Amino acid sequence: QQQVKQSPQSLIVQKGGIPIINCAYENTAFDYFPWYQQFPGKGPALLIAIRPDVSEKKEGRFTISFNKSAKQFSLHIMDSQPGDSATYFCAASKGTYKYIFGTGTRLKVLA
Amino acid sequence: GAVVSQHPSWVICKSGTSVKIECRSLDFQATTMFWYRQFPKQSLMLMATSNEGSKATYEQGVEKDKFLINHASLTLSTLTVTSAHPEDSSFYICSALTGKGTEAFFGQGTRLTVV
Repeated sequence: QQQVKQSPQSLIVQKGGIPIINCAYENTAFDYFPWYQQFPGKGPALLIAIRPDVSEKKEGRFTISFNKSAKQFSLHIMDSQPGDSATYFCAASKGTYKYIFGTGTRLKVLA
Repeated sequence: GAVVSQHPSWVICKSGTSVKIECRSLDFQATTMFWYRQFPKQSLMLMATSNEGSKATYEQGVEKDKFLINHASLTLSTLTVTSAHPEDSSFYICSALTGKGTEAFFGQGTRLTVV
């Protein structure tokens, strides 16, 4: 019930490609779904977040798609760049922002 | 965005000693802070929730006597790893809720190595 399943575990794309990372949750009480980017040896940084009343949200090159009925959400990175190479985590929480994190996706964007 | 700072960024200590990690919210007051632990190439696992002026709430399986958390002010929470052992070596990360409570900001993490 508390798990957030994330896939794929790793992803390699060419520069300019559109990597897509998927997450699925079970607890319908979750009401906040952020995505974080983490570089080696650094803390996670918030990229973009969405609430269940919206099906899509865009911020710059990052887009979240949210499917409430399927209990799934995904991150799309448009025009990916080598500098986007990092580990991406989805998360879910209800109210208290006690985040449950996905297992992470290591993205490598080739120049 | 709001800034959360951790100190130290890395620390090496001898087995059996204690080490303190600080988490500060630099430009906002944080009534709630969270402590996470991350093993290499793994996800972040919540250890405890720290509320200013009250006892921390620990997640199941986390030893409260080993991982002492103090949140004495609205801008500072500390995690003390007591009687550290090599298996405590990990990346410890804190996060803090802004006053608006809309999102949590993370510190840069502390790499603890116990030798």
